[in-house]
Amino acid sequence: RKEVEQDPGPFNVPEGATVAFNCTYSNSASQSFFWYRQDCRKEPKLLMSVYSSGNEDGRFTAQLNRASQYISLLIRDSKLSDSATYLCVVNVGRAGNMLTFGGGTRLMVKP
Amino acid sequence: SAVISQKPSRDICQRGTSLTIQCQVDSQVTMMFWYRQQPGQSLTLIATANQGSEATYESGFVIDKFPISRPNLTFSTLTVSNMSPEDSSIYLCSVEDGAPSRYYGYTFGSGTRLTVV
Repeated sequence: RKEVEQDPGPFNVPEGATVAFNCTYSNSASQSFFWYRQDCRKEPKLLMSVYSSGNEDGRFTAQLNRASQYISLLIRDSKLSDSATYLCVVNVGRAGNMLTFGGGTRLMVKP
Repeated sequence: SAVISQKPSRDICQRGTSLTIQCQVDSQVTMMFWYRQQPGQSLTLIATANQGSEATYESGFVIDKFPISRPNLTFSTLTVSNMSPEDSSIYLCSVEDGAPSRYYGYTFGSGTRLTVV
């Protein structure tokens, strides 16, 4: 079983749709959680951290369920520019070398 | 957040040769991380580079194949040695972004796309 699992997609959605991605992690000692966005042929960029109480940043909402060990990302009112691969990233410890990346979920928003 | 300059952005190399990738950060950072992203895959950590000490390698990666230098707090190099086509990949460096809370993120260099022929 992979340490961080994501549905690879692709998720094909029309503009304006709401789409949700889930991610599960296996290490119960995981301490911090992130969603990164990676455009084709580009480096990953931090989209948002995931707080225990859930957090929202504009059209993006992240949720954490520690009991079930899963993280979610909700995107409302999808834009064409949201098309990318979304990486779920889990940090077991505080140091960066404890980062584990999910395989990514590909989103394609169509007109 | 930190700004990282990574070079080269891409290269095509002959098997058996070596390539050195450089990352320059615009601020001093304690740890720098080197990742590999194989085609269609997610990121895998190669090693952690600390200034003044030897790099720490993850399982499956060895110093002879991926020597790393960290001469100061803003710079690091990764060398891919004695390359084979299996080394064709994107190599990325990363640093931790300082933040007031523990929910910090990590910034990545723009990546080096390596093709070994």
